Amino acid sequence: QKEVEQNSGPLSVPEGAIASLNCTYSDRGSQSFFWYRQYSGKSPELIMFIYSNGDKEDGRFTAQLNKASQYVSLLIRDSQPSDSATYLCAVRGGGFKTIFGAGTRLFVKA
Amino acid sequence: DTAVSQTPKYLVTQMGNDKSIKCEQNLGHDTMYWYKQDSKKFLKIMFSYNNKELIINETVPNRFSPKSPDKAHLNLHINSLELGDSAVYFCASSQEVSGGGGRNTQYFGPGTRLTVL
Repeated sequence: QKEVEQNSGPLSVPEGAIASLNCTYSDRGSQSFFWYRQYSGKSPELIMFIYSNGDKEDGRFTAQLNKASQYVSLLIRDSQPSDSATYLCAVRGGGFKTIFGAGTRLFVKA
Repeated sequence: DTAVSQTPKYLVTQMGNDKSIKCEQNLGHDTMYWYKQDSKKFLKIMFSYNNKELIINETVPNRFSPKSPDKAHLNLHINSLELGDSAVYFCASSQEVSGGGGRNTQYFGPGTRLTVL
């Protein structure tokens, strides 16, 4: 079982719709959860982090965490073509290591 | 005023050669990392240094040797390059904060695309 799993996609949504990206993790001791966005040929950049159960909103982005289900998601409201990228879920336990998922490719159609 | 910088950006070399990649961060962070991202875009941790001390050393061939001369620099030397070493190598840094949370966010450099012929 992979430590951090994401659907590779591509996930295709029309412009203005809500994109829902999901991630599950295997280590119940995980403490911090991150969503990074990576455009083709570029480096990952942080979108949001979350470490408490529930929802966390930042502009058009909402991260949701459910530690009991070992599940974290990212919702993108009013999706724009500029949101088209690969979204990486990253999970950190009690040590220094952060485990990245393989990423979900999102394509927003104009 | 680049936060995390890497050199070179592109590296094309022959099998069997030895090469180095350099990384520098000006964020004042105490922890630095090397990641390898393969053709399938999977980002995998290789090494991490905290205050110049090696704290993460994943299952990586011993042809790869990291070196951290100070907290702001982390270099990666690769001996006897092989075709399978072709990938994008990312350097990242973070500031370790007791209790963690999101404050251990990692900031990535632009990457070094290594092609071994």
